[in-house]
Amino acid sequence: DAGVIQSPRHEVTEMGQEVTLRCKPISGHNSLFWYRQTMMRGLELLIYFNNNVPIDDSGMPEDRFSAKMPNASFSTLKIQPSEPRDSAVYFCASSLTDPNYGYTFGSGTRLTVV
Amino acid sequence: AQSVTQPDIHITVSEGASLELRCNYSYGATPYLFWYVQSPGQGLQLLLKYFSGDTLVQGIKGFEAEFKRSQSSFNLRKPSVHWSDAAEYFCAVGPSGSARQLTFGSGTQLTVLP
Repeated sequence: DAGVIQSPRHEVTEMGQEVTLRCKPISGHNSLFWYRQTMMRGLELLIYFNNNVPIDDSGMPEDRFSAKMPNASFSTLKIQPSEPRDSAVYFCASSLTDPNYGYTFGSGTRLTVV
Repeated sequence: AQSVTQPDIHITVSEGASLELRCNYSYGATPYLFWYVQSPGQGLQLLLKYFSGDTLVQGIKGFEAEFKRSQSSFNLRKPSVHWSDAAEYFCAVGPSGSARQLTFGSGTQLTVLP
């Protein structure tokens, strides 16, 4: 298995532009998580899905952020409009429901909003 | 609410020396505990996990961790550190019965001196 695949690896965009981050979870994993990592706040859970359904989006910072999971093999995190304070590394992770498995993380997308 | 504290922001050790990274958690029941490692520019990789049974768990790369309920701790250890172990280490706790919604500590940055 190729693991959790995120794209793009790096994104530089201007303030006000729309940004879409993509994630392909491991096949067979039924939970998917979006995290944001910054120096100031560490790892923050933004939202997670179970069986493609959003379960908890309380970590989504503002209405500018939205996430979708149209099927078991694909998820997007969209920021519209983007702001400089959104600059961070965004990680996607997937897992089985069985607690004997931890998360498997993707390599992340480093977002820079200028 | 569950929480994880990693009291050491940065630790420096010499190559070949022993290592212990501290992790304390706050959780009402028996927690699921994890240690992850993050190399620069990479996602988080699972080192080891504890759910029940033997309180000393072995992980990858020669790491081990010991669960001490009386101290609410889950410290990570390695008898002899290699230069390639330089990375950031995260402790995480998950709700009992599920691997979802892991709560991560703020991380400990490990520097290895030659």
